[in-house]
Amino acid sequence: NAGVTQTPKFQVLKTGQSMTLQCAQDMNHNSMYWYRQDPGMGLRLIYYSASEGTTDKGEVPNGYNVSRLNKREFSLRLESAAPSQTSVYFCASRGAVAKNIQYFGAGTRLSVL
Amino acid sequence: KNQVEQSPQSLIILEGKNCTLQCNYTVSPFSNLRWYKQDTGRGPVSLTIMTFSENTKSNGRYTATLDADTKQSSLHITASQLSDSASYICVVSDNAGNMLTFGGGTRLMVKP
Repeated sequence: NAGVTQTPKFQVLKTGQSMTLQCAQDMNHNSMYWYRQDPGMGLRLIYYSASEGTTDKGEVPNGYNVSRLNKREFSLRLESAAPSQTSVYFCASRGAVAKNIQYFGAGTRLSVL
Repeated sequence: KNQVEQSPQSLIILEGKNCTLQCNYTVSPFSNLRWYKQDTGRGPVSLTIMTFSENTKSNGRYTATLDADTKQSSLHITASQLSDSASYICVVSDNAGNMLTFGGGTRLMVKP
């Protein structure tokens, strides 16, 4: 049981380049999330998908797009990367009950030069 | 604005000693409070979760307390081990469970 799997683990981009971060979960969870974690700050929600077919903005959605491809997969796309998007990105998933905890992937470390 | 403040920012203790980490929050509406452990280079992993009606919850050597009136929580680690070295993050959830407010974390280092 792999849980939440993120790819790639590391990525270096030049300003203006685009890329997609992939996330897949094998726990049959309804909800999936994308966060960014910056030094000295708490994780901040970029986008989430409460169920298959729906997506909603979080706290810091500007510069990102998401796709809930199916129940298992939730991708995050940077159309034109900026140095301010240098961060560690975490994907998470959660089951149907509100109290259920979120399970996190190992993260993608992204540097934009 | 919803906020979660943690103290101290960092802490160094000797192996075998106890320590207590603090969390103050101003989040509304409040559903539950969680403590996560994040090892370097890894994603956060849940330690405990408490609703407003729960005062204490334990998970092995970890004991979390919650005072919903003062909006404070603490995480007490007993008989620390080297493997406890990590960041500990306090997280408060809204009613739907989608919008979590994360604290900045306390970085704990346990030395032999």
